[in-house]
Amino acid sequence: DAKTTQPPSMDCAEGRAANLPCNHSTISGNEYVYWYRQIHSQGPQYIIHGLKNNETNEMASLIITEDRKSSTLILPHATLRDTAVYYCIVSRVNSGYSTLTFGKGTMLLVSP
Amino acid sequence: DAGVTQSPTHLIKTRGQHVTLRCSPISGHKSVSWYQQVLGQGPQFIFQYYEKEERGRGNFPDRFSARQFPNYSSELNVNALLLGDSALYLCASSLGDPTGTPYEQYFGPGTRLTVT
Repeated sequence: DAKTTQPPSMDCAEGRAANLPCNHSTISGNEYVYWYRQIHSQGPQYIIHGLKNNETNEMASLIITEDRKSSTLILPHATLRDTAVYYCIVSRVNSGYSTLTFGKGTMLLVSP
Repeated sequence: DAGVTQSPTHLIKTRGQHVTLRCSPISGHKSVSWYQQVLGQGPQFIFQYYEKEERGRGNFPDRFSARQFPNYSSELNVNALLLGDSALYLCASSLGDPTGTPYEQYFGPGTRLTVT
């Protein structure tokens, strides 16, 4: 499995950009990086995914380094509702199925 | 659009009993996965189904079983419940074949199971 390393916690002021880093130095060439978040006691919410190019959607932007060994999730204008645990996952495709291996993630606290 | 729905929301069972949890995927999605999330940890993969066939199984005992129906809904069954089975059980649905990439999974709100 390509493992990921994330800081355990981060703080961000409301209205500012939140930049969440992730290291995945053992990622394989055909493995995607996925980001999910989980607000307390709710199901994980899909945010974004990428392979090698930077990606942007209505929720966030994903910046992947050229060597693909790390990435950064950017929430451009964090709100209090963005307080959650953010998971960076390199999805493993096994023989016939695909799993998400969740680590401990980063607890992002957005403050007023 | 309706997302993934799960029932029941909460459930309390006694050790030794069995439980059935249900999941309805997003309309049009043909793949369902089940995860277990114990308090304080990230979700762990249990099963994955695609087109009514089991495609993968995580490291869980045979007390855990599942199936997917022709309408793509799914059930997770757990027999001989143990205290350690207390967890949030999450269902995720996906549009296509799990071997396709990318493979986005959309989670439901979960069923909170408490075993006493």
